[in-house]
Amino acid sequence: DQQVKQNSPSLSVQEGRISILNCDYTNSMFDYFLWYKKYPAEGPTFLISISSIKDKNEDGRFTVFLNKSAKHLSLHIVPSQPGDSAVYFCAALAILTGANSKLTFGKGITLSVRP
Amino acid sequence: DGGITQSPKYLFRKEGQNVTLSCEQNLNHDAMYWYRQDPGQGLRLIYYSQIVNDFQKGDIAEGYSVSREKKESFPLTVTSAQKNPTAFYLCASSQGPFYSDTEAFFGQGTRLTVV
Repeated sequence: DQQVKQNSPSLSVQEGRISILNCDYTNSMFDYFLWYKKYPAEGPTFLISISSIKDKNEDGRFTVFLNKSAKHLSLHIVPSQPGDSAVYFCAALAILTGANSKLTFGKGITLSVRP
Repeated sequence: DGGITQSPKYLFRKEGQNVTLSCEQNLNHDAMYWYRQDPGQGLRLIYYSQIVNDFQKGDIAEGYSVSREKKESFPLTVTSAQKNPTAFYLCASSQGPFYSDTEAFFGQGTRLTVV
């Protein structure tokens, strides 16, 4: 059973517009969330994270929003650039319960940014 | 430069043979992980190790084995018992159990194909 769900497998946006990548989770023990970006034939690279004590974290063009009551988070990329085209993975873990060595990943969303 | 290295990048194996994937890191990280990526499946945890000479099964450990004799090395053996070994394998490391500023650093991956 998928505990971290990225229900949209792909997203296509115009360069300069906003990209919104969604992620839902079912395990209420998750208290820390990360986004990873992956290019083909490469390993994922860390992008941004958010703790459950926050509802927003911003880093340059990337902002992650967390809605704990809805068990939903989203990654906003503004403005989107062609170099952002990649697969984005949402990941979660449960730090407080001590299960903080096991990142649980979603299936990923393929983002395509059109020039 | 510090990093995490997986070798080889591409690996072919005959059915029924065991094969070992290498993962080395010089980041002085305590924790190391093996993930498997299949199309449409996201990243699934095979094994992880939080400290030398200790490792735990992840979500899909059957048909795999690991060792952690040295801090910098965490080789993964894909045994003949693994029913669907063809996949993209990713090794990762982190400073330790994840804290608010800790992330996993991934290697470039090894694509294993069983012929």
